[in-house]
Amino acid sequence: SAVISQKPSRDICQRGTSLTIQCQVDSQVTMMFWYRQQPGQSLTLIATANQGSEATYESGFVIDKFPISRPNLTFSTLTVSNMSPEDSSIYLCSVADRTTNEKLFFGSGTQLSVL
Amino acid sequence: AQSVTQPDIHITVSEGASLELRCNYSYGATPYLFWYVQSPGQGLQLLLKYFSGDTLVQGIKGFEAEFKRSQSSFNLRKPSVHWSDAAEYFCAVGANFGNEKLTFGTGTRLTIIP
Repeated sequence: SAVISQKPSRDICQRGTSLTIQCQVDSQVTMMFWYRQQPGQSLTLIATANQGSEATYESGFVIDKFPISRPNLTFSTLTVSNMSPEDSSIYLCSVADRTTNEKLFFGSGTQLSVL
Repeated sequence: AQSVTQPDIHITVSEGASLELRCNYSYGATPYLFWYVQSPGQGLQLLLKYFSGDTLVQGIKGFEAEFKRSQSSFNLRKPSVHWSDAAEYFCAVGANFGNEKLTFGTGTRLTIIP
């Protein structure tokens, strides 16, 4: 199974600032995904990040607001830019591990509160 | 477009009682179905998945789920719940291999009473 480390685990930020969330995997994976879980809600996919190409964003999410980097097969970052209170959510990184029956693994998430 | 419905927002069961959490999906082809559990303040943990083959799948922690194509359902069951099973449970559907992004249901919160 893949082990995913996500940092920070939580943060409290001021309106208008940006926060970069890191996702580190203990093995090489092709596809990494970033999800958002708003308070009391289910998970919504923000984007898919493949190494060596630009991230693919889902409807309602744009690169200017959520820039993503994927410099190698074990690491990705998601930046939440120009934050507002509406961005207060849990942000989760997930990966698909093709060596173990296509399971999807999730990091423990980043709890973001924007004041 | 794929979608998942979890009709029960909150379920309360007694410790030792049986459990069934409902999940209905909408997808035009053979779905890839998952159940995840999220404990308070934690990330998601995969309980079980269905890709093909036997429609009754066994997962971790004593959970099982049955895929019923005729009913577009993938209900999660456990014969006897433990207090540690209290958590949020999410059903999810994926499109196919090579593109494992998932669509999640809204979740069912499970409360266990002594």
